[in-house]
Amino acid sequence: SQQGEEDPQALSIQEGENATMNCSYKTSINNLQWYRQNSGRGLVHLILIRSNEREKHSGRLRVTLDTSKKSSSLLITASRAADTASYFCATDAYSGGSNYKLTFGKGTLLTVNP
Amino acid sequence: KAGVTQTPRYLIKTRGQQVTLSCSPISGHRSVSWYQQTPGQGLQFLFEYFSETQRNKGNFPGRFSGRQFSNSRSEMNVSTLELGDSALYLCASSLSPMNTEAFFGQGTRLTVV
Repeated sequence: SQQGEEDPQALSIQEGENATMNCSYKTSINNLQWYRQNSGRGLVHLILIRSNEREKHSGRLRVTLDTSKKSSSLLITASRAADTASYFCATDAYSGGSNYKLTFGKGTLLTVNP
Repeated sequence: KAGVTQTPRYLIKTRGQQVTLSCSPISGHRSVSWYQQTPGQGLQFLFEYFSETQRNKGNFPGRFSGRQFSNSRSEMNVSTLELGDSALYLCASSLSPMNTEAFFGQGTRLTVV
């Protein structure tokens, strides 16, 4: 079952606009990560936010985490056509012993129109 | 530093055959995880290896197996291929199982005909 669920499923914006994607999850986490995937290719790690952090920035990316609501958001500012991709959140779900595994949502497909 | 390398990039097999995929993690990373990605099911966790031992396994049939070598390189094997095994298989490496910051390879696109 999916631990993280992204919202919306698809988002289409114009170049220069900001894009916001949301992720909700069900159980307690240590970290939450965001990844980007260009069509049919591997996942690119964007940013990791720990459960004791509320906000993190990396370039044009801003990630927030609200553990009380079990939700996170990814904001991409001043979007570019090259940002067109699917974006996934991943949470580290505890799977017994000292094991954690990453569990992904189904992603948000972002299209940035030139 | 080289990234995660997966080979081959593309593969076409027929039903009933078996296939082996390879993954070389980032130098210094000792944990390797495998995922299957399909349009319908999204990214599904297959298994994780650390120090040549399987630490974690997803909900896949026994036809899916893997191993890890002493240099941390990993292989996964799928036997008796079915049409539904067509997918993008992704490998991710991380420093250890306790460090879940994972870095992915480009994937192997497997098509079963």
